[in-house]
Amino acid sequence: GIQVEQSPPDLILQEGANSTLRCNFSDSVNNLQWFHQNPWGQLINLFYIPSGTKQNGRLSATTVATERYSLLYISSSQTTDSGVYFCAGRSNDYKLSFGAGTTVTVRA
Amino acid sequence: GVSQNPRHKITKRGQNVTFRCDPISEHNRLYWYRQTLGQGPEFLIYFQGTGAADDSGLPNDRFFAVRPEGSVSTLKIQRTERGDSAVYLCASSLIGKDTEAFFGQGTRLTVV
Repeated sequence: GIQVEQSPPDLILQEGANSTLRCNFSDSVNNLQWFHQNPWGQLINLFYIPSGTKQNGRLSATTVATERYSLLYISSSQTTDSGVYFCAGRSNDYKLSFGAGTTVTVRA
Repeated sequence: GVSQNPRHKITKRGQNVTFRCDPISEHNRLYWYRQTLGQGPEFLIYFQGTGAADDSGLPNDRFFAVRPEGSVSTLKIQRTERGDSAVYLCASSLIGKDTEAFFGQGTRLTVV
């Protein structure tokens, strides 16, 4: 499978701040997902975004497939945004490969 | 959604354990992943229908997974070791290159 690198590993935000999480891939992907892992360990689907830009409320994501990276934007962060964010990509072998995650802490 | 049970399992070293995954009903593809503390999920095996299409992530022959009727899958670990302690995640998706995977809540295994 492909190698996935996420940055930064940790992010501490004040409530109301904006932030950007980045995901780099070692090879081209035909499937890319962003997840939020809640405190109980459940992976919640945020975006399915192999290319282009999508928005869902205060979250948006952009994937530039030709340059092998994806960005997740959190605007006006809230304490409920805290948790670990993962990106995962898949090339032709059908295995989703995950990064190590970005741990986001939003302080009130 | 994807349903996994049990949610938690505590076992003594050397015992065998079995985990169950019920995928989303129309999903043909089923995955097992393992996640240890502070790491991202790590691929173990995936099924397309009843057959294991790729089992390259299984760490050794103590790990075994089946999906006999193309729906429910079980993951078995024989002679558990303390290093097997982790969260075991199941996911499912439709067939196709551009399909979204959905994960269950996971089974947390603790080997004492």
